[in-house]
Amino acid sequence: QVQLVESGGGVVQPGESLRLSCAASGFTFSSYGMHWVRQAPGKGLEWLTFIRYDESKEYYADSVKGRFTISRDNSRNTVYLQMNSLRTEDSAVYYCAKEGKHFDPYIDYWGQGTLVTVSS
Amino acid sequence: QSVLTQPPSVSAAPGQKVTISCSGSSSNIGINYVSWYQQLPGTAPKLLIYDNDKRPSGIPDRFSASKSASSATLAITGLQAGDEADYYCGTWDSSLTVVVFGGGTKLTVL
Repeated sequence: QVQLVESGGGVVQPGESLRLSCAASGFTFSSYGMHWVRQAPGKGLEWLTFIRYDESKEYYADSVKGRFTISRDNSRNTVYLQMNSLRTEDSAVYYCAKEGKHFDPYIDYWGQGTLVTVSS
Repeated sequence: QSVLTQPPSVSAAPGQKVTISCSGSSSNIGINYVSWYQQLPGTAPKLLIYDNDKRPSGIPDRFSASKSASSATLAITGLQAGDEADYYCGTWDSSLTVVVFGGGTKLTVL
């Protein structure tokens, strides 16, 4: 069964950095693109970024472009989200998620999420 | 302000039918597949519908969806208490080159 397990969340101060990890299992990781999506407390889903299965292309939401970087290690079945220059408005639960199929925007599996709190 | 527009809330009695709309534009819903997600309280989202109207295995046929022009609709029949959740539509926006979600709709089963 597909499992996505995020880690790396925590409490940081504004301006600091954090790296989230997502360990994948139960599917051929190197064959699927991966997303990061976040959800601020009491708010809706906000898509952040996507990386293709072969790392050939990345996409970012304007809200994180230039501050966040997605990457993956297909040998470790892991996708990462490097978050720099964090702001209070970045506080949210961060989900990693698996694409359903290539060139189709749906997400078929989500992790349980990891909480990031940015506060002074 | 979300690119896709959903009603903030809908409600209906058990056993009834409810529909949730998702309005977009020619650069997103108009030309790309729509998916729908259910988020039960305190849990991660779960895929309900993909490619406009397809159900993943395990999703009951009480859940259905359709797309017309730049709008999509999720329908839930035979409402149950366990259907109380937030529902989100999503798609790709070809102009913005990003995935976009609706703001979410909270379903209350009266």
